[in-house]
Formats: sequence, structure tokens, C-alpha cells
Amino acid sequence: ELKVEQNPLFLSMQEGKNYTIYCDYSTTSDRLYWYRQDPGKSLESLFVLLSNGAVKQEGRLMASLDTKARLSTLHITAAVHDLSATYFCAVDIIGGSGGSNYKLTFGKGTLLTVNP
Amino acid sequence: DGGITQSPKYLFRKEGQNVTLSCEQNLNHDAMYWYRQDPGQGLRLIYYSQIVNDFQKGDIAEGYSVSREKKESFPLTVTSAQKNPTAFYLCASRKGQSYEQYFGPGTRLTVT
Repeated sequence: ELKVEQNPLFLSMQEGKNYTIYCDYSTTSDRLYWYRQDPGKSLESLFVLLSNGAVKQEGRLMASLDTKARLSTLHITAAVHDLSATYFCAVDIIGGSGGSNYKLTFGKGTLLTVNP
Repeated sequence: DGGITQSPKYLFRKEGQNVTLSCEQNLNHDAMYWYRQDPGQGLRLIYYSQIVNDFQKGDIAEGYSVSREKKESFPLTVTSAQKNPTAFYLCASRKGQSYEQYFGPGTRLTVT
């Protein structure tokens, strides 16, 4: 069974600081996704990482994937209040045939609070 | 505009009643999903469907039922057998492998 663990689960940081959220997973996969959820809202796709060494950046957020270590990171640079949200990573299960059964496994989410 | 719609946004029901949540997508996606989210928690998969007329149980299917008669639609019925149905329900769809899931706006169900 695929397990996806995020840490930290709660992160309170000051504006202007840098920090990294980690997403570990337990089985072979080279497809990982990051999502953002604002309070009371749905999930919004942030990044799609589809190969070892993939790196994507959008504004103050940068995501990377190391499939050998089974680890993805979401790095926050010079945080601003608008980044306050819950961030989820999700991993594809790769089936025996090399394909996916279309089911993503989500981490529990990291609640990020950026304080002035 | 392509997207996923869920209705209603808020739903209130009495205990013991079945209730059906609607999910429609016009993205021409093959796969559709239902998740449940409790306050401060992550997502738990209820059911998913990869093609029309076929669906699979997720991690917490007990007390729920679905149908997939059309590609665009994947309604979820919360039955009276579901012991704690009050939650935020999210529908999602996906084009295929190596594509992200797109989520609908959600339905907040309250059962008293």
C-alpha cells in the first residue's frame, strides 16, 4: 500500500523567511502533484512533476522531485501572507504493467500560516 | 468555459435520509473521483471511476453509492447507512495518466 507523508503538518512562519515542506512516499512512482487549498475552498493544482529531477517554479514556490529518494520538496522563498493555505502532495500509484490505475494518494496536508 | 460543477454548494439533511450530490464535468475527462474531507483533515477517497459504467471502491466506500451512466456525470449518494455523513465532499476528474486531477468547488453536507 502506498503511503505518502508530509512534514511538517503545521508550519507558522514570518513574512520574508524561507522554508521547505517535504513529501515522502513509500513505493516506486515518478509522478507527483502539489495542490493548494484555501480555507473552505476546493483544491487548486500547483505543480505536476513527472520525472526524476523535475523542478517547477511559480512565483515564490518551487517544487522538485527525487524519485530515487522517493521525496518531493516544496520550497517557499520570502514568504508573504497570501501564501497562507494548506498544501497537499499527491502521488500516482504505478501498476504492475507500468501504467497507473488513475488513483492518486494524498498526503495529510501542511497548514502554512505566514505571519506579518 | 470547461470545468467541474458540483451542486448544491450547501446541503442540509435529517438523519436517516438518503441524499445525492451532483458532479458534472465538461472537460471530456475519462476518470472521475469522490473524496470526503473532514475539518482539518486530508482527503479520503470514497469511489472512483475510470470509464463509463464502471467504478471502484476507494478507502471509505461504506455507506456511499455511485453511478457512472454518462461520461460527464458521477453522482454520489450518501445513504442512511453512513454513520457520520457531515463533511465537505469534493468531486474531481482527470484526463488520464500523468495528468493532474481537477477539483470541483465542493458540497458541504450537514446532517442533523
